[in-house]
Amino acid sequence: RKEVEQDPGPFNVPEGATVAFNCTYSNSASQSFFWYRQDCRKEPKLLMSVYSSGNEDGRFTAQLNRASQYISLLIRDSKLSDSATYLCVVNPRGGGSNYKLTFGKGTLLTVNP
Amino acid sequence: DTAVSQTPKYLVTQMGNDKSIKCEQNLGHDTMYWYKQDSKKFLKIMFSYNNKELIINETVPNRFSPKSPDKAHLNLHINSLELGDSAVYFCASSRLGESSTDTQYFGPGTRLTVL
Repeated sequence: RKEVEQDPGPFNVPEGATVAFNCTYSNSASQSFFWYRQDCRKEPKLLMSVYSSGNEDGRFTAQLNRASQYISLLIRDSKLSDSATYLCVVNPRGGGSNYKLTFGKGTLLTVNP
Repeated sequence: DTAVSQTPKYLVTQMGNDKSIKCEQNLGHDTMYWYKQDSKKFLKIMFSYNNKELIINETVPNRFSPKSPDKAHLNLHINSLELGDSAVYFCASSRLGESSTDTQYFGPGTRLTVL
């Protein structure tokens, strides 16, 4: 099983749609979880961290289910500017000197007018 | 002000050549990283340095040698370039405190093409 697996995509949705991305991770001891966004030919940028209690940032909601080793990202009222690749990211080792991030392959989202 | 910068942005070279990519961060972070993103868009960590010391080396070939003259700089030197080295190389930095939730900030990437 890969360390971090995401929906293969691509997702094509109309403006205003709600879209959800899923991600699973293999290491049950993983400590922290993130969603990054990568625009075409650009660098990845942090979209939001994912907390056990779930968290929301405007139109974006992230959830974590540790028992199922599953992370999700929900985007409501999609905008054209949401078109990007969404990367599920896991820190499998914890903090301190072992800090490293493992990236999923990403899911491409295209929001159409 | 650019937080994490890399030079050059594009690099086209012949097989067998040696090349370097430079990275600088002005965020005052303790830890810097090199990632490789291949043609399938898969982003994989190569190295990380904390205060000029190597802490992660993800089984990268010896032809790749990172060098950190100070904690604000992490350069990547590649010897005897191969076709398979063609990729986008991203530098990143993070604060690396006690918390495991430190955000990583990425540079704009260097697109390396080996002919």
